[in-house]
Amino acid sequence: LAKTTQPISMDSYEGQEVNITCSHNNIATNDYITWYQQFPSQGPRFIIQGYKTKVTNEVASLFIPADRKSSTLSLPRVSLSDTAVYYCLVGDIRLTGGGNKLTFGTGTQLKVEL
Amino acid sequence: DSGVTQTPKHLITATGQRVTLRCSPRSGDLSVYWYQQSLDQGLQFLIQYYNGEERAKGNILERFSAQQFPDLHSELNLSSLELGDSALYFCASSGGTGGPTGANVLTFGAGSRLTVL
Repeated sequence: LAKTTQPISMDSYEGQEVNITCSHNNIATNDYITWYQQFPSQGPRFIIQGYKTKVTNEVASLFIPADRKSSTLSLPRVSLSDTAVYYCLVGDIRLTGGGNKLTFGTGTQLKVEL
Repeated sequence: DSGVTQTPKHLITATGQRVTLRCSPRSGDLSVYWYQQSLDQGLQFLIQYYNGEERAKGNILERFSAQQFPDLHSELNLSSLELGDSALYFCASSGGTGGPTGANVLTFGAGSRLTVL
């Protein structure tokens, strides 16, 4: 499974756009890039997933360059409620029972202020 | 509600004791993953089961064991508990085709908070 590197923390203000980048230099051909959000004392929650180029859903966008060695989670117009830890996870768990040591990195603590 | 059910939500016990944490995966998911998260720490992968068989092992202590039953629910057994075992224990499932997230995404439960005194 590809090792990921993210900034430990980021600060922003309400209404700003936040971009969190994750490096995954040894990503494999079949790997997908998935981002999760975790609030204190809660389980991580799926935000967005992509394989290449750009993916957008109702809460975020995910930008993946052609070499796929990094990805950027973009949160438009953040609010106080977006204060959380954001993890990127790289791997392919579609292979049923594939023995996946799905290891999360340290994540990025995003703090949004007024 | 994520569809992954973990019980108990909170558990307080003493050092040296043994506890069992239970997880029911999302309907249709065949894989179950267990994670440990100590205070202000990241998610540590413990073990994965698929359709009743162990498929991957992380840094799981020998005092810990797990299994997945024919109905796909899983149990994590923690024995000879130490103060340092106090943590949130999360279960996640994957592999089903239903729901908005599909087969390539982990769905986490709300966690079981274990406090060892």
